[in-house]
Amino acid sequence: GEDVEQSLFLSVREGDSSVINCTYTDSSSTYLYWYKQEPGAGLQLLTYIFSNMDMKQDQRLTVLLNKKDKHLSLRIADTQTGDSAIYFCAESIGGYQKVTFGIGTKLQVIP
Amino acid sequence: DAGVIQSPRHEVTEMGQEVTLRCKPISGHNSLFWYRQTMMRGLELLIYFNNNVPIDDSGMPEDRFSAKMPNASFSTLKIQPSEPRDSAVYFCASSSGDSPLHFGNGTRLTVT
Repeated sequence: GEDVEQSLFLSVREGDSSVINCTYTDSSSTYLYWYKQEPGAGLQLLTYIFSNMDMKQDQRLTVLLNKKDKHLSLRIADTQTGDSAIYFCAESIGGYQKVTFGIGTKLQVIP
Repeated sequence: DAGVIQSPRHEVTEMGQEVTLRCKPISGHNSLFWYRQTMMRGLELLIYFNNNVPIDDSGMPEDRFSAKMPNASFSTLKIQPSEPRDSAVYFCASSSGDSPLHFGNGTRLTVT
């Protein structure tokens, strides 16, 4: 079945690295995503990874995928106060059509 | 591109009233999704359309909820009659065959 789990809260100091973790249950996931939601706004796509990839890097963001353990992580290097937001992990099966989201991890960056 | 446009941004209504939420997807996108976000349940997919046709409405909570997509550039989500437990943020998202979901800024609905 489809189930995406992530921790609810993470607090880091400005300048440190943040690692947000996610587990999913469906081994037939095609794509895995990270979305960012700032207060009062919609979800903004940060990055995504195809299920046959292990890693993807985009500037300060690094996504790691462990398909055996069904574990996805998002690392934000040199975390800034502007990174404070809720981060959603999501998976889709068979393309982009049906996407299942986790509950979201609230990242608090302490100056 | 203007992105996904939703209206209104905020809606406050009394229990029993009809509520209509509107969405304009990104031009060229052929799939449209309605999600509901609450603190308790997170993001729930209510319904999605492909080429204006409803494909999966299994997430629509009750018959009080209905959605239409009369053309490729417009969709509505209607709640009639509304109840306090319908209070949530409702998001519309769109995608095409080769793109992930793009979300609107949502409509915050409060039913008193």
